[in-house]
Amino acid sequence: LAKTTQPISMDSYEGQEVNITCSHNNIATNDYITWYQQFPSQGPRFIIQGYKTKVTNEVASLFIPADRKSSTLSLPRVSLSDTAVYYCLVGDMGRDDKIIFGKGTRLHILP
Amino acid sequence: EAQVTQNPRYLITVTGKKLTVTCSQNMNHEYMSWYRQDPGLGLRQIYYSMNVEVTDKGDVPEGYKVSRKEKRNFPLILESPSPNQTSLYFCASSTAVGSGDYNEQFFGPGTRLTVL
Repeated sequence: LAKTTQPISMDSYEGQEVNITCSHNNIATNDYITWYQQFPSQGPRFIIQGYKTKVTNEVASLFIPADRKSSTLSLPRVSLSDTAVYYCLVGDMGRDDKIIFGKGTRLHILP
Repeated sequence: EAQVTQNPRYLITVTGKKLTVTCSQNMNHEYMSWYRQDPGLGLRQIYYSMNVEVTDKGDVPEGYKVSRKEKRNFPLILESPSPNQTSLYFCASSTAVGSGDYNEQFFGPGTRLTVL
C-alpha cells in the first residue's frame, strides 16, 4: 500500500473552489486513487476514484498528473456543508486486502 | 435501502465485561471490515473479512475478535474491554477485492463505545 501525505487542515470560503492535494510518491502501477469524505460522527462516504488524468462526477473532480505521484481533489463552489474531513487512499483492491485511511485533511468552510 | 447497520450505536461498559457490536449489510458484499477512529489518529483498520469464514488482521487487532459465519454479518467482539478501547467504531462493506469494480466501501453509522 502506498503511503499518502495530505495537509492536516485547510480553510476556505463559501463559493470558492477548493483543491486538496495528496502526495503518493510510491504509488504502484495498478494502484487506484480514491477519496472519501467524512462528516463528524458519521462514517466516511466515497467521493471519487481515478487512475490517471482527470475524473469528474457530480460532486468533485480528481486530477492526476502523468507521473501519478500526486493527485488533487477539486471541490467546486464549496458551501458550509462541505466542512468535513477528506481522506486520500491509494491501493489496488485486487491486491491489497488491508485498507489504510490515514489522518485525512480537515476542511473548514467559512461564511 | 442498501445499508450497513450497526448495533448498538452507543455503549458504556466497564473494564472486563465482554461485549459484541453487531454489523450487518444487505448488499450481498463479500468484503467487510471494522475500523476504529480516535481523535488525531484517523481511521485505523481492526479486522477485515474477504468472505464467509475468511478473516484477517488489520493494523490494530489487539484486544478484538471477529467472526464471519454468514455473508451479511460481521460482529466485533471485545472479550475483555479496557479503557484504551474507548473509541468510535465503524463497520464497512464492499464488493469483492479483485472484482474489477470500484470497490467503494459503504460505512455504517458508527458505534461510540466507552469503557470505564
